[in-house]
Amino acid sequence: SQTIHQWPATLVQPVGSPLSLECTVEGTSNPNLYWYRQAAGRGLQLLFYSVGIGQISSEVPQNLSASRPQDRQFILSSKKLLLSDSGFYLCAWSAGLVGSEQFFGPGTRLTVL
Amino acid sequence: AQRVTQPEKLLSVFKGAPVELKCNYSYSGSPELFWYVQYSRQRLQLLLRHISRESIKGFTADLNKGETSFHLKKPFAQEEDSAMYYCALSGMDSSYKLIFGSGTRLLVRP
Repeated sequence: SQTIHQWPATLVQPVGSPLSLECTVEGTSNPNLYWYRQAAGRGLQLLFYSVGIGQISSEVPQNLSASRPQDRQFILSSKKLLLSDSGFYLCAWSAGLVGSEQFFGPGTRLTVL
Repeated sequence: AQRVTQPEKLLSVFKGAPVELKCNYSYSGSPELFWYVQYSRQRLQLLLRHISRESIKGFTADLNKGETSFHLKKPFAQEEDSAMYYCALSGMDSSYKLIFGSGTRLLVRP
């Protein structure tokens, strides 16, 4: 069966420090991969999605970037964190079909101080 | 522009009462609508999708293209239904993205 992992579960970082959040998927090949930010009262905001290795689509211009170095690995990064980057980050995968169900990871709670 | 609107941030009902979580959407093409749910300390997961036309955990949702709505309904709420509910839209015009609403927290009181 397919599983999705995210780490770390929680992270506290100072302003200006770099960030690397990792997401991996097991049990499937060539998934679509997604990064969301979940904010209270604002729902889920799609940040990036990828339909293949090295293919990244950015939805919202911001201080973050994403990379997909391997088929089932998706990384969210920042060179210098801002206070406004604090939030709950979710990774998700779906099959490569339009309208497919998305399966979500457990999330990472990021606090920037 | 694609948009999903959930007008209620919080919906509180008593056990056994009917529930309706509202969802309206804006999309010019042919949409596929979903309801996702997040129970306390659990992952966000799919509850149901309109194309399946099925009832899950007693919940149903009908796509009304005239009113551009996809409200989630359950005739008799249970305490275990308390959760965060998100309505989401996917365009069938080759889009892999899901557009989520801001979510409604359902609280079912004993």
